[in-house]
This record gives sequence, C-alpha cells and structure tokens, in this order.
Amino acid sequence: GDSVTQMEGPVTLSEEAFLTINCTYTATGYPSLFWYVQYPGEGLQLLLKATKADDKGSNKGFEATYRKETTSFHLEKGSVQVSDSAVYFCALKGSRGSTLGRLYFGRGTQLTVWP
Amino acid sequence: ETGVTQSPTHLIKTRGQQVTLRCSSQSGHNTVSWYQQALGQGPQFIFQYYREEENGRGNFPPRFSGLQFPNYSSELNVNALELDDSALYLCASSNVPGGGQSPLHFGNGTRLTVT
Repeated sequence: GDSVTQMEGPVTLSEEAFLTINCTYTATGYPSLFWYVQYPGEGLQLLLKATKADDKGSNKGFEATYRKETTSFHLEKGSVQVSDSAVYFCALKGSRGSTLGRLYFGRGTQLTVWP
Repeated sequence: ETGVTQSPTHLIKTRGQQVTLRCSSQSGHNTVSWYQQALGQGPQFIFQYYREEENGRGNFPPRFSGLQFPNYSSELNVNALELDDSALYLCASSNVPGGGQSPLHFGNGTRLTVT
C-alpha cells in the first residue's frame, strides 16, 4: 500500500547551515506530495507541495523536487534559522481506489537550530 | 477567510467514557477528514466525510464514528475510550472531495488524554 519513509531525527544544526531531510515513498498511481511543518503545541501547516513528477515545490526558502525515478521528495534549505525549529512531516496524497484523498504521513523529523 | 477551527483544545477523560470532538471547516470547503496523531508519530487517517456521508475510512475500530452537518462542520465521536486513544486529533478540510491535488488545511487539533 501507499506509504512514506522519512529520515529519522532529531536533526540539530547551527544557524545558517544547510538542511536536508530525506523522504521516499511507495504509491500506486500518481500521488501528490507534501511537506507539512508542526510547531510546538500547534497543528500542521502546509509548507510546500508538488503534484507531478519533476515539479519543484518551494516556500520560505525550503524546496523539494518530486523525483519519480527515485520515488523521493527530499526537503532542503540552504540556510536555516532558529525560527525553523519544528517537526517536519513528509506526506503523500493517495490517488487511487481506497487511498483516494487520504494523506499518508512519515513519522516526522524534529529539527532544532541553534544560534 | 476563516481557517479550520477545533474544540476543545484539550480534554481529559477516563477509560471507558465517551468523547465528542468538534471541527468547523474552512469557508467553502465541503470535505472534512480526521486524523489521529499519537505522541512522536505522524498523523494516521481515521475517516473522511463529503456532503454528510462517510467516503473513506482508515484502520480504526467502529467505536470511532463521525458526523458531518449541512454547514460542513463535523464531529468525531469515540466510545469506550482506551488509554491508547490518548493523542492529538486533527481535523482537515478541503474543497475537493476525495481526489484532486489540493492540499488539506488542518486545524490546531484537540489534545485528548485518557487516564
């Protein structure tokens, strides 16, 4: 079935360091892919999305490219800030049959950025 | 436009009791779905409602039930609460029933603790 495997955390970086959080997926059909962010005590906020192969989603300096050949959607940011400290979730939206419209999430990666 | 709002924000119940959680969808959204997020985990799909009918369900027992009202607000009911039901319950809405590539917009969740 559809699933997402996400890099285990926690990840600790210094401010202005480069960030990569790996995400790979398994899916039937043509899923849409998302990154969500969760700040302490809050719900999920959509960070970026990509709806088809080779699409690049970007927002607030974060980027991720939908790679069908490697079934990946890695999150990157060139220079992280303290305010980026949060939990990041990779997710796919099912596109067929019983998976239609459902979001499948990875386990989340805790990012802590130190000044 | 108003976002997704959930109530209450926190709730403490005793094992065996019943609980009702509420969600108001984002304006113009006719599809609502519910997710359970256990501590340290990614959210898991419970079910989805479109035009007051359930149109998708995850791997949750029948004691998890829901309703969607004509104004597209929704309730999640859980009977015979168990300790493992302690989690953050997230409601999400969209304007595309089931399919489509639009992202889901989440509320801040209800934190349920079962003692």
